[in-house]
Amino acid sequence: EAGVTQSPTHLIKTRGQQATLRCSPISGHTSVYWYQQALGLGLQFLLWYDEGEERNRGNFPPRFSGRQFPNYSSELNVNALELEDSALYLCASSLEGRGTEAFFGQGTRLTVV
Amino acid sequence: EDQVTQSPEALRLQEGESSSLNCSYTVSGLRGLFWYRQDPGKGPEFLFTLYSAGEEKEKERLKATLTKKESFLHITAPKPEDSATYLCAVQAGNQGGKLIFGQGTELSVKP
Repeated sequence: EAGVTQSPTHLIKTRGQQATLRCSPISGHTSVYWYQQALGLGLQFLLWYDEGEERNRGNFPPRFSGRQFPNYSSELNVNALELEDSALYLCASSLEGRGTEAFFGQGTRLTVV
Repeated sequence: EDQVTQSPEALRLQEGESSSLNCSYTVSGLRGLFWYRQDPGKGPEFLFTLYSAGEEKEKERLKATLTKKESFLHITAPKPEDSATYLCAVQAGNQGGKLIFGQGTELSVKP
């Protein structure tokens, strides 16, 4: 069974540009989560989608946004990129939002220059 | 405020030298505590879920335990391939599916 897949693996953008990151969850999982892992800061929660709706949002500015499609795949958009947005962006999926384990993809390494 | 603290930050062991990693947490209504392993540049790999104090889970050389305030990940007779960063995360009752992660313990096992 395929795990969580993310694309692209690496992404290099210029400050001020927009980045789009994509995630396909494990088959049958309806919840998708996005986390940012910047150097030395640990995993920080960004967004949680379930059944196409945004259920929870972390302490990030509005230029971080996303959506979940009818097939449960998800997209994370980062507008007006800043240098400090450079990080590993991780997507995870679970069967449901509460109390169940989440499985992570391999991440997208975003570098802003 | 919900918080997770892991110690030590880094741990160096000789192959076969058993030890424990600690995860202390303060959370409003624990729904679950999760252990992950992360290799450099990779996504976290799920290891265990613990739901209530007194619960224990085992997998190969790893054993996770849970009390009302902390969790331990015991590593018995580690091998070099156990070298990785071990992450602890909690899910709070009022936060939905959000995981709150600790900073991790970087484990290095030398042959």
